Amino acid sequence: QVQLVESGGGVVQPGRSLRLSCAVSGFTFSSYGMHWVRQAPGKGLEWVAVISYDGSNKYYADSVKGRFTISRDNSKNTLYLQMNSLRAEDTAVYYCAKDSSRSYDILTGLLSVGYFDCWGQGTLVTVSS
Amino acid sequence: EIVLTQSPGTLSLSPGERATLSCRASQSVTSNYLAWYHQKPGQAPRLLIYGASSRATGFPDRFSGSGSGTDFTLTISRLEPEDFAVYYCQHYGRSAGTFGPGTKVDIK
Repeated sequence: QVQLVESGGGVVQPGRSLRLSCAVSGFTFSSYGMHWVRQAPGKGLEWVAVISYDGSNKYYADSVKGRFTISRDNSKNTLYLQMNSLRAEDTAVYYCAKDSSRSYDILTGLLSVGYFDCWGQGTLVTVSS
Repeated sequence: EIVLTQSPGTLSLSPGERATLSCRASQSVTSNYLAWYHQKPGQAPRLLIYGASSRATGFPDRFSGSGSGTDFTLTISRLEPEDFAVYYCQHYGRSAGTFGPGTKVDIK
């Protein structure tokens, strides 16, 4: 069955970096776009970043643009989120989620996101001194 | 960018009652690219409805989605104990997957 397992969370000081991983199985990873979504304690869902099926297109929320980098290794069936210059407001549970599509419109070359049909269990990132 | 508004913020009902949740978009949603997610405390969200009205695998037919344009509705015909949770709507397509703020359905 489809599985997404996040790792790499923990407690980190403001201004430091952290890299999250999401290991997937049960589907052809290289055929689907992937997302990171976060949820601050007691709050709602906030989309963070998306990467197309082949890694060629990436988009970010304004709140993380320039600080976070999404990437993937299709040979290892793994998604990553490199988080730099972390702030207290980045404290959240970070989920990886599978897109139902490639997250990329081949005809237009533009972002085209599907619904998120599978989610990991999440990994908690706490930014605190 | 499309902004989603959900109402009510909290819905207090008893098991067996009908729940009606609203999701309103600031602009018309293309091709009914509207999804609903279900999240229990301490758990990851789960896809519930996609394409505004298609039910995802694993959810019973007491859940139904409807609507088009800017107004969408999630209906739970008769609440079961496991349905008390938070429900989020999401617009997808050309945007990156904006979520609404959520509606919490709790036990009255």
